[in-house]
Amino acid sequence: RKEVEQDPGPFNVPEGATVAFNCTYSNSASQSFFWYRQDCRKEPKLLMSVYSSGNEDGRFTAQLNRASQYISLLIRDSKLSDSATYLCVVFWAGGFKTIFGAGTRLFVKA
Amino acid sequence: EAGVTQFPSHSVIEKGQTVTLRCDPISGHDNLYWYRRVMGKEIKFLLHFVKESKQDESGMPNNRFLAERTGGTYSTLKVQPAELEDSGVYFCASSQGLGALKETQYFGPGTRLLVL
Repeated sequence: RKEVEQDPGPFNVPEGATVAFNCTYSNSASQSFFWYRQDCRKEPKLLMSVYSSGNEDGRFTAQLNRASQYISLLIRDSKLSDSATYLCVVFWAGGFKTIFGAGTRLFVKA
Repeated sequence: EAGVTQFPSHSVIEKGQTVTLRCDPISGHDNLYWYRRVMGKEIKFLLHFVKESKQDESGMPNNRFLAERTGGTYSTLKVQPAELEDSGVYFCASSQGLGALKETQYFGPGTRLLVL
């Protein structure tokens, strides 16, 4: 079993749709959680950090469930520009370990 | 504020040659990470520096890879001799440290390495 697992993609949604991505992690000692966005042939860029029960930033909402070792990302009112790969990243401060999920590809169509 | 920079952006070398990648972290960031993404796979951790010290190099594939961070500023990753399977995108990232927000890693644009 992979340490960080994400929903297999790709997700194909129309503009304006709401889409949710899921991510599970296996190390219960994991401390910090992030969603990064990666465009084709570009570097990952931080979308949101998730430190407690979750947080919201505009159209994006991230939720954390430590008991179930699960985080999610919700995108409301999808835009064409949201098309990208979304990476779930888990950080374990005990060893400065950073584990990436394989990513979920999102295509938003007009 | 300047972000993480990497050099070169692309490198095409022949099997058996040596390549050295460079990463300049964000000024003031003590933590520097190297990652690699090979075609079709997820980003994999290679190693982590805290200032000039290697904190964790458990992700380094083998002894053909050597990373340094003299003086705790920029870092280099040398591959010698390069093999075909070393091809991929090498990312560098930096962060301030531990604690809320300080753990956030900022990535450089990557070096695309192709070994022929």
